[in-house]
Amino acid sequence: GQQVMQIPQYQHVQEGEDFTTYCNSSTTLSNIQWYKQRPGGHPVFLIQLVKSGEVKKQKRLTFQFGEAKKNSSLHITATQTTDVGTYFCAGRTDSWGKLQFGAGTQVVVTP
Amino acid sequence: GAGVSQSPRYKVAKRGQDVALRCDPISGHVSLFWYQQALGQGPEFLTYFQNEAQLDKSGLPSDRFFAERPEGSVSTLKIQRTQQEDSAVYLCASNRQGYNEQFFGPGTRLTVL
Repeated sequence: GQQVMQIPQYQHVQEGEDFTTYCNSSTTLSNIQWYKQRPGGHPVFLIQLVKSGEVKKQKRLTFQFGEAKKNSSLHITATQTTDVGTYFCAGRTDSWGKLQFGAGTQVVVTP
Repeated sequence: GAGVSQSPRYKVAKRGQDVALRCDPISGHVSLFWYQQALGQGPEFLTYFQNEAQLDKSGLPSDRFFAERPEGSVSTLKIQRTQQEDSAVYLCASNRQGYNEQFFGPGTRLTVL
């Protein structure tokens, strides 16, 4: 079945540094979403990517969908303490079906 | 407006007990999803409703799990004869027709002793 893998599992970042988290699917995806979950909270939608090679930016966050639509990345520049949380990618193989979540990248920021 | 709400927020059950978890989606949201999230893991899909129709229940781990949404709004996830491995946070999410963004509720943390 479809598998979505995320690396790294943990990311320890100094405030002000950049980092990237990666998401890989065993199958071609129709779209991919990214969610953020703060400690003790619930997942909150960040963005959806649909097109091959698509790049979207939200302030300090840059999201990319691979050309083959099997991988994605999230790059955060100048990390802040407010970026603490777990970032999940979630892929779909059809337009409206179930989301397959990765295990997430837990981000810890040191001031 | 109000977001997705879930109740109870916390549930402790003895092994073998039945439990019922409730989800109130955002008003007007057609699609409703249930997920199970184990500690340190991502949400795992359980089942999906569009209005009152259960279109996908492929993620339900066993026949002890049952979900319904009889009037196309509130949904209930029922777990019969709970086992320790059922301990997890159960998340409900909904989205508007035509939009893929899912709005998650706060979850119900189920602990089976």
